[in-house]
Amino acid sequence: DTGVSQNPRHKITKRGQNVTFRCDPISEHNRLYWYRQTLGQGPEFLTYFQNEAQLEKSRLLSDRFSAERPKGSFSTLEIQRTEQGDSAMYLCASSSIQLTSGNTIYFGEGSWLTVV
Amino acid sequence: GENVEQHPSTLSVQEGDSAVIKCTYSDSASNYFPWYKQELGKRPQLIIDIRSNVGEKKDQRIAVTLNKTAKHFSLHITETQPEDSAVYFCAAPPAGGYQKVTFGIGTKLQVIP
Repeated sequence: DTGVSQNPRHKITKRGQNVTFRCDPISEHNRLYWYRQTLGQGPEFLTYFQNEAQLEKSRLLSDRFSAERPKGSFSTLEIQRTEQGDSAMYLCASSSIQLTSGNTIYFGEGSWLTVV
Repeated sequence: GENVEQHPSTLSVQEGDSAVIKCTYSDSASNYFPWYKQELGKRPQLIIDIRSNVGEKKDQRIAVTLNKTAKHFSLHITETQPEDSAVYFCAAPPAGGYQKVTFGIGTKLQVIP
């Protein structure tokens, strides 16, 4: 499977613990996105990278969230001191930016986080 | 960044009828308009997209129409089937690509057998 890969797929953690999710984008895709989705809502933008540079981070994102893409390939999303409100599906997506013909985004299967 | 408004938020149709979902966008320079389908518990998947140099694109029972003047685009599903039941999202990535991509709120489509 050469699509976007995320792991773990499911994570149950106690409130206050730290969690980290990993995303492997489609190879050679230079853009990588993180979204959060809760039941009945659309994907909510968190942050995105162009190669290794983090270009934008949602203002709604607290300081407990941090994302990295150190070599411009895979990315990690870490949530520190988790809270019950962090429970959601965390979606990673990637694309190959084409300035003249659009920006098709491909999503991974998502990582489900449950904070108890 | 771009603003995308999608409606209706829910839509119920009888099997065999047509369904139409509409999105409006604010960035007049946007030139690419995708539609995603998300089944319960699964990832959003691209089902059809359109570039700004055409007004309509069809793929079997689904079609997308674009009105650049009015800045809206619509998803049309004909002869709906129960397996079309899902949540559908639109997006209007800003031109140039140097901004985040945001999605509409989604339309929950229910096809009643």
